[in-house]
Amino acid sequence: KAGVTQTPRYLIKTRGQQVTLSCSPISGHRSVSWYQQTPGQGLQFLFEYFSETQRNKGNFPGRFSGRQFSNSRSEMNVSTLELGDSALYLCASSFRQGGAYEQYFGPGTRLTVT
Amino acid sequence: AQSVTQLGSHVSVSEGALVLLRCNYSSSVPPYLFWYVQYPNQGLQLLLKYTSAATLVKGINGFEAEFKKSETSFHLTKPSAHMSDAAEYFCAVSDQNQGGKLIFGQGTELSVKP
Repeated sequence: KAGVTQTPRYLIKTRGQQVTLSCSPISGHRSVSWYQQTPGQGLQFLFEYFSETQRNKGNFPGRFSGRQFSNSRSEMNVSTLELGDSALYLCASSFRQGGAYEQYFGPGTRLTVT
Repeated sequence: AQSVTQLGSHVSVSEGALVLLRCNYSSSVPPYLFWYVQYPNQGLQLLLKYTSAATLVKGINGFEAEFKKSETSFHLTKPSAHMSDAAEYFCAVSDQNQGGKLIFGQGTELSVKP
């Protein structure tokens, strides 16, 4: 099976702009989670979508939003970008095995805000 | 609330030496525990997971980890380090109520000296 793909891989935006990142999960996986990775804060959970519904949400401001489509592809959007939003954004798709959701990560989108 | 603490942000070993990366967790319900590895400019790769079956879990690339409830630990070990093991390692926790939400530790960067 093909792995998790994320587009674009690299992105440069200016403060105040908005950005949309895309994630295509592994075929058959219905859960998609998003994480932000920064040197200072490490890996932080943004939100999870399952069957087009947000199932879990992390502690991020409302500027961060997401959605999932019927084919399980997901997008996340960040509006009114701030310098602190510069980060690696990772998407993970998962399936449930042995009770736990086993997550498989994409390569990430590196967002730089100037 | 769940949390994960990884002791030591940097660990350095010689090639052929034992690798020991420490992880302690906090969870009010039985946890699911994971170890991931991240190579530069890549996403995270699942090394192994604990889901309440065997307490000694074997993963890929010769790594294993032991779940010790009394110590709330899930340390990662490998008997003999290889140069290709140099990477950043993350311990993560979730539970049956969290779906696809992982809480990560701050990460441990492993260096392997020739």
